[in-house]
Amino acid sequence: DTAVSQTPKYLVTQMGNDKSIKCEQNLGHDTMYWYKQDSKKFLKIMFSYNNKELIINETVPNRFSPKSPDKAHLNLHINSLELGDSAVYFCASSQGATKNEAFFGQGTRLTVV
Amino acid sequence: GIQVEQSPPDLILQEGANSTLRCNFSDSVNNLQWFHQNPWGQLINLFYIPSGTKQNGRLSATTVATERYSLLYISSSQTTDSGVYFCAVDDGGDYKLSFGAGTTVTVRA
Repeated sequence: DTAVSQTPKYLVTQMGNDKSIKCEQNLGHDTMYWYKQDSKKFLKIMFSYNNKELIINETVPNRFSPKSPDKAHLNLHINSLELGDSAVYFCASSQGATKNEAFFGQGTRLTVV
Repeated sequence: GIQVEQSPPDLILQEGANSTLRCNFSDSVNNLQWFHQNPWGQLINLFYIPSGTKQNGRLSATTVATERYSLLYISSSQTTDSGVYFCAVDDGGDYKLSFGAGTTVTVRA
Protein backbone atom coordinates (compact mmCIF):
# COMPACT_ATOMS: atom_id res chain seq x y z
CA ASP A 1 0.00 0.00 0.00
CA THR A 2 1.29 3.43 -0.94
CA ALA A 3 1.63 5.62 2.16
CA VAL A 4 1.08 9.00 0.45
CA SER A 5 -0.53 8.89 -2.96
CA GLN A 6 -1.34 11.76 -5.26
CA THR A 7 -3.11 11.89 -8.59
CA PRO A 8 -2.56 12.54 -11.36
CA LYS A 9 1.15 11.92 -11.88
CA TYR A 10 1.24 14.09 -15.00
CA LEU A 11 -1.00 16.99 -15.91
CA VAL A 12 -0.74 18.97 -19.14
CA THR A 13 -3.19 21.82 -19.56
CA GLN A 14 -3.69 25.14 -21.28
CA MET A 15 -3.28 28.57 -19.73
CA GLY A 16 -6.43 29.81 -18.08
CA ASN A 17 -7.77 26.37 -17.19
CA ASP A 18 -8.65 25.21 -13.67
CA LYS A 19 -7.20 21.93 -12.40
CA SER A 20 -7.06 19.87 -9.21
CA ILE A 21 -4.51 17.51 -7.71
CA LYS A 22 -5.65 15.00 -5.13
CA CYS A 23 -3.65 13.61 -2.21
CA GLU A 24 -4.40 10.87 0.28
CA GLN A 25 -2.32 9.40 3.12
CA ASN A 26 -2.94 6.13 4.98
CA LEU A 27 -0.35 6.70 7.71
CA GLY A 28 -2.77 8.12 10.26
CA HIS A 29 -0.83 11.38 10.31
CA ASP A 30 -2.30 14.64 11.59
CA THR A 31 -0.40 17.01 9.31
CA MET A 32 -0.36 17.29 5.53
CA TYR A 33 1.55 19.59 3.19
CA TRP A 34 1.90 20.80 -0.37
CA TYR A 35 5.39 21.57 -1.66
CA LYS A 36 6.42 22.99 -5.03
CA GLN A 37 9.62 21.95 -6.81
CA ASP A 38 10.76 24.42 -9.44
CA SER A 39 12.82 23.83 -12.57
CA LYS A 40 16.05 24.14 -10.54
CA LYS A 41 14.80 21.38 -8.24
CA PHE A 42 14.37 23.71 -5.29
CA LEU A 43 11.61 22.52 -2.90
CA LYS A 44 9.49 25.06 -1.06
CA ILE A 45 6.50 24.76 1.24
CA MET A 46 3.20 26.08 -0.07
CA PHE A 47 0.65 25.01 2.54
CA SER A 48 0.44 22.91 5.66
CA TYR A 49 -2.66 21.62 7.42
CA ASN A 50 -2.90 20.18 10.89
CA ASN A 51 -6.08 18.31 11.80
CA LYS A 52 -7.79 19.85 8.76
CA GLU A 53 -6.87 23.40 9.86
CA LEU A 54 -4.70 25.62 7.66
CA ILE A 55 -1.45 26.34 9.52
CA ILE A 56 0.83 27.75 6.86
CA ASN A 57 0.08 29.61 3.65
CA GLU A 58 3.50 30.59 2.38
CA THR A 59 2.57 33.65 0.26
CA VAL A 60 1.04 31.51 -2.43
CA PRO A 61 -1.22 33.31 -4.97
CA ASN A 62 -4.87 32.97 -4.07
CA ARG A 63 -5.42 31.13 -7.36
CA PHE A 64 -4.17 28.14 -5.35
CA SER A 65 -6.73 26.82 -2.90
CA PRO A 66 -6.08 23.77 -0.74
CA LYS A 67 -8.97 21.82 0.70
CA SER A 68 -8.83 19.21 3.44
CA PRO A 69 -12.11 17.30 3.73
CA ASP A 70 -10.62 15.06 6.43
CA LYS A 71 -7.24 14.36 8.03
CA ALA A 72 -6.34 11.78 5.37
CA HIS A 73 -6.90 14.03 2.35
CA LEU A 74 -5.49 17.33 1.15
CA ASN A 75 -6.40 18.43 -2.35
CA LEU A 76 -4.99 21.35 -4.31
CA HIS A 77 -7.14 23.32 -6.70
CA ILE A 78 -5.55 25.81 -9.06
CA ASN A 79 -7.57 28.43 -10.92
CA SER A 80 -6.63 30.34 -14.07
CA LEU A 81 -3.40 28.45 -14.63
CA GLU A 82 -0.38 30.43 -15.80
CA LEU A 83 2.81 29.35 -17.57
CA GLY A 84 4.77 30.03 -14.38
CA ASP A 85 2.74 27.43 -12.49
CA SER A 86 4.55 24.69 -14.39
CA ALA A 87 6.42 22.69 -11.75
CA VAL A 88 6.32 19.45 -9.81
CA TYR A 89 3.91 19.53 -6.86
CA PHE A 90 4.47 17.18 -3.95
CA CYS A 91 2.06 16.23 -1.23
CA ALA A 92 3.49 15.08 2.10
CA SER A 93 2.34 14.07 5.56
CA SER A 94 3.84 13.83 9.03
CA GLN A 95 2.77 12.92 12.53
CA GLY A 96 2.89 16.47 13.81
CA ALA A 97 5.08 18.94 15.59
CA THR A 98 6.93 16.51 17.90
CA LYS A 99 8.12 13.62 15.75
CA ASN A 100 7.80 15.35 12.46
CA GLU A 101 9.25 12.86 9.97
CA ALA A 102 7.66 13.70 6.63
CA PHE A 103 6.76 11.24 3.88
CA PHE A 104 6.20 12.40 0.33
CA GLY A 105 3.93 11.36 -2.51
CA GLN A 106 5.34 10.60 -5.94
CA GLY A 107 4.74 14.14 -7.23
CA THR A 108 2.55 15.63 -9.93
CA ARG A 109 4.32 17.18 -12.89
CA LEU A 110 2.16 20.08 -14.05
CA THR A 111 2.87 21.56 -17.47
CA VAL A 112 0.96 24.65 -18.55
CA VAL A 113 1.06 25.35 -22.29
CA GLY B 1 13.54 31.45 8.55
CA ILE B 2 16.12 28.76 8.98
CA GLN B 3 18.78 28.57 6.25
CA VAL B 4 20.07 25.26 4.90
CA GLU B 5 23.24 24.95 2.85
CA GLN B 6 24.39 21.77 1.16
CA SER B 7 27.78 20.98 -0.30
CA PRO B 8 29.06 20.13 -2.76
CA PRO B 9 26.39 21.09 -5.31
CA ASP B 10 27.55 18.38 -7.71
CA LEU B 11 29.49 15.17 -7.24
CA ILE B 12 30.70 12.71 -9.87
CA LEU B 13 31.83 9.34 -8.59
CA GLN B 14 33.24 6.19 -10.06
CA GLU B 15 31.31 3.08 -9.05
CA GLY B 16 32.72 1.72 -5.81
CA ALA B 17 33.93 5.07 -4.49
CA ASN B 18 32.99 6.57 -1.12
CA SER B 19 31.70 10.10 -0.58
CA THR B 20 30.50 12.56 2.05
CA LEU B 21 27.74 15.10 1.61
CA ARG B 22 27.37 17.98 4.04
CA CYS B 23 24.39 19.97 5.31
CA ASN B 24 24.82 23.13 7.41
CA PHE B 25 21.87 24.84 9.06
CA SER B 26 21.55 28.23 10.66
CA ASP B 27 19.55 27.50 13.82
CA SER B 28 18.75 24.67 16.22
CA VAL B 29 16.42 22.08 14.73
CA ASN B 30 13.73 19.72 15.91
CA ASN B 31 13.84 17.58 12.81
CA LEU B 32 16.45 16.83 10.16
CA GLN B 33 15.84 14.49 7.26
CA TRP B 34 17.89 13.26 4.32
CA PHE B 35 16.08 12.40 1.10
CA HIS B 36 17.15 10.87 -2.18
CA GLN B 37 15.34 12.07 -5.29
CA ASN B 38 15.84 9.35 -7.86
CA PRO B 39 15.93 9.96 -11.63
CA TRP B 40 12.18 9.26 -11.76
CA GLY B 41 11.52 12.14 -9.40
CA GLN B 42 10.50 10.19 -6.30
CA LEU B 43 11.57 11.60 -2.93
CA ILE B 44 12.76 8.67 -0.84
CA ASN B 45 13.30 8.96 2.89
CA LEU B 46 16.85 8.01 3.85
CA PHE B 47 17.19 9.17 7.45
CA TYR B 48 15.27 11.00 10.14
CA ILE B 49 18.22 12.22 12.20
CA PRO B 50 17.86 15.36 14.35
CA SER B 51 20.93 14.19 16.28
CA GLY B 52 23.29 11.25 16.52
CA THR B 53 24.38 8.63 14.02
CA LYS B 54 22.40 6.11 12.01
CA GLN B 55 23.32 3.50 9.43
CA ASN B 56 21.27 1.81 6.75
CA GLY B 57 23.24 -0.54 4.53
CA ARG B 58 25.86 1.41 2.58
CA LEU B 59 24.48 4.73 3.79
CA SER B 60 25.06 6.36 7.12
CA ALA B 61 24.36 9.79 8.56
CA THR B 62 25.60 11.85 11.47
CA THR B 63 24.05 15.03 12.85
CA VAL B 64 25.97 17.21 15.30
CA ALA B 65 23.13 19.43 16.45
CA THR B 66 25.29 21.63 18.70
CA GLU B 67 27.49 22.54 15.72
CA ARG B 68 24.57 22.75 13.28
CA TYR B 69 25.63 20.32 10.62
CA SER B 70 24.83 16.87 9.29
CA LEU B 71 26.83 14.51 7.10
CA LEU B 72 25.61 11.78 4.77
CA TYR B 73 28.09 9.05 3.87
CA ILE B 74 27.76 6.89 0.80
CA SER B 75 30.10 3.91 0.72
CA SER B 76 30.84 1.62 -2.24
CA SER B 77 28.65 3.75 -4.48
CA GLN B 78 26.50 2.12 -7.15
CA THR B 79 24.90 3.58 -10.27
CA THR B 80 21.53 3.36 -8.51
CA ASP B 81 22.80 5.93 -6.00
CA SER B 82 22.63 8.59 -8.70
CA GLY B 83 20.16 11.39 -8.14
CA VAL B 84 19.75 14.44 -5.96
CA TYR B 85 20.26 14.25 -2.20
CA PHE B 86 18.33 16.76 -0.12
CA CYS B 87 18.74 17.78 3.48
CA ALA B 88 15.64 19.31 5.10
CA VAL B 89 15.08 20.74 8.58
CA ASP B 90 12.42 22.25 10.75
CA ASP B 91 12.95 24.23 13.93
CA GLY B 92 10.04 22.70 15.82
CA GLY B 93 6.35 23.54 15.89
CA ASP B 94 6.65 25.18 12.52
CA TYR B 95 4.81 22.62 10.41
CA LYS B 96 7.19 22.91 7.50
CA LEU B 97 10.50 21.58 6.27
CA SER B 98 13.09 23.96 4.87
CA PHE B 99 15.13 22.28 2.15
CA GLY B 100 18.67 22.77 1.02
CA ALA B 101 19.39 23.16 -2.69
CA GLY B 102 20.54 19.56 -2.93
CA THR B 103 23.66 17.69 -4.04
CA THR B 104 23.44 16.09 -7.48
CA VAL B 105 25.31 12.79 -7.42
CA THR B 106 26.27 10.97 -10.60
CA VAL B 107 27.79 7.51 -10.24
CA ARG B 108 29.55 6.22 -13.36
CA ALA B 109 30.00 2.54 -14.12
